[in-house]
Amino acid sequence: DVKVTQSSRYLVKRTGEKVFLECVQDMDHENMFWYRQDPGLGLRLIYFSYDVKMKEKGDIPEGYSVSREKKERFSLILESASTNQTSMYLCASSFGTQAYEQYFGPGTRLTVT
Amino acid sequence: QQQVKQSPQSLIVQKGGIPIINCAYENTAFDYFPWYQQFPGKGPALLIAIRPDVSEKKEGRFTISFNKSAKQFSLHIMDSQPGDSATYFCAAKANYGGSQGNLIFGKGTKLSVKP
Repeated sequence: DVKVTQSSRYLVKRTGEKVFLECVQDMDHENMFWYRQDPGLGLRLIYFSYDVKMKEKGDIPEGYSVSREKKERFSLILESASTNQTSMYLCASSFGTQAYEQYFGPGTRLTVT
Repeated sequence: QQQVKQSPQSLIVQKGGIPIINCAYENTAFDYFPWYQQFPGKGPALLIAIRPDVSEKKEGRFTISFNKSAKQFSLHIMDSQPGDSATYFCAAKANYGGSQGNLIFGKGTKLSVKP
C-alpha cells in the first residue's frame, strides 16, 4: 500500500512564526506536490517537484517555499505565517509524468492566530 | 491559467438515486480526466479516470461520460448509498511543458446521500 504521511494532523501557530510542514512517501515516487484546500476553492497547487532538489511554483506560491533534499521527503515552509494561510494542507505524490493518480496524505489543518 | 469548472457545489439525493456531477474544461492540452473522492478527515483518493479518446468508462456503480467536442465530462453514481457521501473532485491532467505531471482540479461537489 502506498503511504503518504504528513508530520502533523493539526497545528496552531502564531502570526510571524516560521512553519515547517513535512511530507514523506514510501513508494519511490518521482513527483511530489503541496496543495492547500479551502471551502469553495477546491485544491490549489502551491509547489511541486519532479525530482530531488528540483522545485517549481504552482498556482499560489506566494508566502511559501519548499525543500526536497531526499526523494521521499518534501517540506513546505511558511517563512512568516499569516492568518490568511490558515487552511488544510495536503501533500501528494505520483510516479512519473504520465501518472494521473496522485496519492494524498491525510492533510495538516493549520491555524494561524 | 487552465481551469476545470465543476457543478454543482453540493448535491443531496435519496438512497438509490443517481447523482450526476458535471465538469467542463477550457483547452485540449489534457490527456487524462480523473475523479477523486474525499471523505471527511481524509485526503482525496482516485476513484476512476478516463482518456479523451473514450466516451464512457464504468467501474462498479461509478460511470464517467466524456464529450470531447463539448469539452465536458460527468460522473454518475448508480444506486447511490449513504456510504457514497463525500466530496468529489474532477480533474484534468496536463500534458504540456513543464507541468506534464500536474492535475488541475475542479472546486469539488459535496454529495450527501440520505438513507
